[in-house]
Amino acid sequence: AQSVTQLDSQVPVFEEAPVELRCNYSSSVSVYLFWYVQYPNQGLQLLLKYLSGSTLVESINGFEAEFNKSQTSFHLRKPSVHISDTAEYFCAVSGVDSSYKLIFGSGTRLLVRP
Amino acid sequence: EADIYQTPRYLVIGTGKKITLECSQTMGHDKMYWYQQDPGMELHLIHYSYGVNSTEKGDLSSESTVSRIRTEHFPLTLESARPSHTSQYLCASSDPRRVNTEAFFGQGTRLTVV
Repeated sequence: AQSVTQLDSQVPVFEEAPVELRCNYSSSVSVYLFWYVQYPNQGLQLLLKYLSGSTLVESINGFEAEFNKSQTSFHLRKPSVHISDTAEYFCAVSGVDSSYKLIFGSGTRLLVRP
Repeated sequence: EADIYQTPRYLVIGTGKKITLECSQTMGHDKMYWYQQDPGMELHLIHYSYGVNSTEKGDLSSESTVSRIRTEHFPLTLESARPSHTSQYLCASSDPRRVNTEAFFGQGTRLTVV
């Protein structure tokens, strides 16, 4: 069965500092990987996704994630964060092992301080 | 932009009441999902549907029930609400013609049972 592990429940960081949110998945077959962001009292919004091809994927607001098959990881990074990036971030995996249902990690709270 | 709507956004209700959480989407998606989100953020799949008259239980056992009479509508019902049902409920949909597609989420319903 597929599963997703987000090791950090909360990541505090100062504004304009770089950040990495870690995500590891377990699956024996090909997967599709997603990062979602949730702002307070909102639903989830897709941030970026890896389907195939280039292992580095980017979002429009400066986040990027790299698919690493050998390490079964899909870490999310941003070189310089803003106060407005404060939110919950969820990593998710989909594939044949889950009948293509989205399986979510437990989430990481990114807290950007001035 | 996702066109998936949940009502109500917030609901406070007494123990023993019957409630229905509404979810509608205008994207023509056959796949729809209900997730329960604990106060600690983690998302758990409680129901999903592959199309009209198709409903399945998710990974987390839930006392709620769902129905799928129309493609665009996927309501969730609790026959007798209890304080343990207090949570945030998120509805989502995806296009089953594309196995690697992301899910689109509504803004959620925050339920409090007193």
